[in-house]
Amino acid sequence: DIQMTQSPSTLSASVGDRVTITCRASQSISSWLAWYQQKPGKAPKLLIYKASSLESGVPSRFSGDGSGTEFTLTISSLQPDDLATYYCQQYISYPLTFGGGTKVEIK
Amino acid sequence: QVQLVQSGAEVKKPGASVKVSCKASGYTFTSYYIHWVRQAPGQGLEWMGIINPSSGSASYAQKFQGRVTMTRDTSTSTVYVELSSLRSEDTAVYYCARDQGAWGQWGQGTLVTVSS
Repeated sequence: DIQMTQSPSTLSASVGDRVTITCRASQSISSWLAWYQQKPGKAPKLLIYKASSLESGVPSRFSGDGSGTEFTLTISSLQPDDLATYYCQQYISYPLTFGGGTKVEIK
Repeated sequence: QVQLVQSGAEVKKPGASVKVSCKASGYTFTSYYIHWVRQAPGQGLEWMGIINPSSGSASYAQKFQGRVTMTRDTSTSTVYVELSSLRSEDTAVYYCARDQGAWGQWGQGTLVTVSS
């Protein structure tokens, strides 16, 4: 199974800050990586697919980068609405696996 | 618009079974595979398996082999996941999601509580 490791597990930042979350895969997954945002009590929402493609309707302050085993999700200017937990997911091979999540808090 | 609407919350006793439904609308049901994933309280996301609504064939995560069954009803555009021999650790929100590479459409989630 491919292990996905996210860091940090929690981060606290101010409105307007640039925020970066890292996801590492235990083996190469090419660009078959997605990022999801989950707000409390809600289903996850797709933000980024194929490592760097922005899902339709997602604000342009979200961006993804990376390939192989190292990936990042960046929020260029943190907004109050971005309070959520973020998950990465590999979808190159079964079983599909997720990172442990990064909880973003607003200072 | 594309929608996945799941059945309501369930409370089950240990050892029982539960069957959760996911009704699809707004697209051709047989054109997209459906995944099931669950999330225990305060925990991350755990993939359970995938079903092909066209053929009905399913593939399950090893952890759930022998306890999980995924089925579909093409007449109502609904997929189901059934989990048997429930234990307290199965308490979680269960989600269905449409496969399009990444998962752009999710159901709203179904809370299953296992308690004596």
